[in-house]
Amino acid sequence: ETGVTQTPRHLVMGMTNKKSLKCEQHLGHNAMYWYKQSAKKPLELMFVYNFKEQTENNSVPSRFSPECPNSSHLFLHLHTLQPEDSALYLCASSPRTPDQPQHFGDGTRLSIL
Amino acid sequence: QKEVEQDPGPLSVPEGAIVSLNCTYSNSAFQYFMWYRQYSRKGPELLMYTYSSGNKEDGRFTAQVDKSSKYISLFIRDSQPSDSATYLCAMTTGNQFYFGTGTSLTVIP
Repeated sequence: ETGVTQTPRHLVMGMTNKKSLKCEQHLGHNAMYWYKQSAKKPLELMFVYNFKEQTENNSVPSRFSPECPNSSHLFLHLHTLQPEDSALYLCASSPRTPDQPQHFGDGTRLSIL
Repeated sequence: QKEVEQDPGPLSVPEGAIVSLNCTYSNSAFQYFMWYRQYSRKGPELLMYTYSSGNKEDGRFTAQVDKSSKYISLFIRDSQPSDSATYLCAMTTGNQFYFGTGTSLTVIP
């Protein structure tokens, strides 16, 4: 596989459920990112990891919990989400932060019931 | 004032037309400029990456940066139906990344 792979592609969950989004990059990059994409809004940066260390948490609610076990894998753990959290969640990677272009996965479309 | 302004469109053009997509920005510290293309149900795909003022060409695509006016453009020549997508501009100071809201483009056969 090449590029950035995200699973699952679609997720429907209730507000009381717990689920996790997974991202894997095969580009040898050292930085990984989580973004939220909502209609008619710019991409919202959520978290940044550089060499497995979290370097940015953009005031994200604690119901979103990231995990980066190594430079190739990134998870986003979800619990007690709200309807306004329904969006496309995109993972990206770059050789390093943050002056080089980011390469994106195809996202997980999340719907909260 | 937003860091990056981009007209959301939608923009509709006939096949073969020249398309001009634009973004303005307010922060003179932006150094690197990018254009991404996003098809429906897919992630953004990097199209162009430029650093300095001036033009950069790649096939039918030309990226233009005017730092004095804080204005960047993406030109698509001989547009094709396969160019129908949302185009996002992005820029970075070297410390933080900023994206535009995206312009939706439809090329009509």
